[in-house]
Amino acid sequence: GAVVSQHPSWVICKSGTSVKIECRSLDFQATTMFWYRQFPKQSLMLMATSNEGSKATYEQGVEKDKFLINHASLTLSTLTVTSAHPEDSSFYICSASTGLTNEKLFFGSGTQLSVL
Amino acid sequence: GESVGLHLPTLSVQEGDNSIINCAYSNSASDYFIWYKQESGKGPQFIIDIRSNMDKRQGQRVTVLLNKTVKHLSLQIAATQPGDSAVYFCAETYSSNTGKLIFGQGTTLQVKP
Repeated sequence: GAVVSQHPSWVICKSGTSVKIECRSLDFQATTMFWYRQFPKQSLMLMATSNEGSKATYEQGVEKDKFLINHASLTLSTLTVTSAHPEDSSFYICSASTGLTNEKLFFGSGTQLSVL
Repeated sequence: GESVGLHLPTLSVQEGDNSIINCAYSNSASDYFIWYKQESGKGPQFIIDIRSNMDKRQGQRVTVLLNKTVKHLSLQIAATQPGDSAVYFCAETYSSNTGKLIFGQGTTLQVKP
């Protein structure tokens, strides 16, 4: 099956710094990538939809200036958490789609962010 | 807003028994449903999917049932094994909303040896 690689798998940073998370589709071209956030013992919450070559679409309540998304190529999307605070500590997961209707989505392995 | 929810947060079963995990959805426009398995510290892993024009679909040891009348989805795992222990999520979407999934609450499945 298709492989989505996410890097890093975990990161610890100081409050106020920025952290970049990468999501790559390794064997297919992803016109659309999705970013989710998951707090402990909770479900995945969609943060934003990332379309190659255009601006990301953010879900209600997600600050676009805080969570910067770049989808510069068909195989890479990045999520940058700017000026991170302890409340941003969470498990961030990406998924990738070729854009075909109702296809299976493939998820990355997730990034655990801990902000001190 | 509309959401997908699960009835049981934790399900404990004996190894070898069958497991049934339930899910309720509220968006009547949803026409595609997926079950995912998530192990600790990992991303969701696709298990099985079903479209709204079906009411049952079988995979290897797993069966998904869809009841559109009551907006209910279930995942049945036959002969549950210790390796099945994980959190299970249902997710819904609709045809014109490619890839944008709404996830349910999640059920933790614990398999006792």
